Amino acid sequence: AQTVTQSQPEMSVQEAETVTLSCTYDTSENNYYLFWYKQPPSRQMILVIRQEAYKQQNATENRFSVNFQKAAKSFSLKISDSQLGDTAMYFCAFTNTDKLIFGTGTRLQVFP
Amino acid sequence: EPEVTQTPSHQVTQMGQEVILRCVPISNHLYFYWYRQILGQKVEFLVSFYNNEISEKSEIFDDQFSVERPDGSNFTLKIRSTKLEDSAMYFCASSEMGSSYNEQFFGPGTRLTVL
Repeated sequence: AQTVTQSQPEMSVQEAETVTLSCTYDTSENNYYLFWYKQPPSRQMILVIRQEAYKQQNATENRFSVNFQKAAKSFSLKISDSQLGDTAMYFCAFTNTDKLIFGTGTRLQVFP
Repeated sequence: EPEVTQTPSHQVTQMGQEVILRCVPISNHLYFYWYRQILGQKVEFLVSFYNNEISEKSEIFDDQFSVERPDGSNFTLKIRSTKLEDSAMYFCASSEMGSSYNEQFFGPGTRLTVL
């Protein structure tokens, strides 16, 4: 069975600094997709970034980028130039069907 | 921007009672999902639904649970006889297509408290 592990329950970062959130997963599948979702306080989860496992190039969306290491089954999220609005829960997720398998989340606090 | 909506935001019920959680997916989406998150635990998949049928369900989704799309807009999750362990945040999601790549859009959740 597939599993997703986020080992950092909480992280904090100062505004304008860079922070990296960790995620590891376990699967025997070769084709799959990985996602980072953001859940601001009292708001719904929104997709931040996605990565196809067959692509070697790391996905980038503006200030958000991933470090995808397929052999190590690692999928970390880097947030550059952190902003106060980045304060949220961040969930790493895996899928090879349409069912998302989530990690437990990392609570990120951005300080001024 | 279109959003998935859920009602109510918080539902309190007595053990053994039936509850119906409601969701309005994004209008042109065809695939619908329910997830739940017990406090302090991970978000877990419950069920996916397409073309008026369940396409996949988890072990959690036993005979006490059912889903329905009663009209063209609502997507509901019914729990027939609630148990204390059903207390959780329930999230509805929808996507345009059912493939792995497609983004699932989530609602804000319904917090269910079973007393």
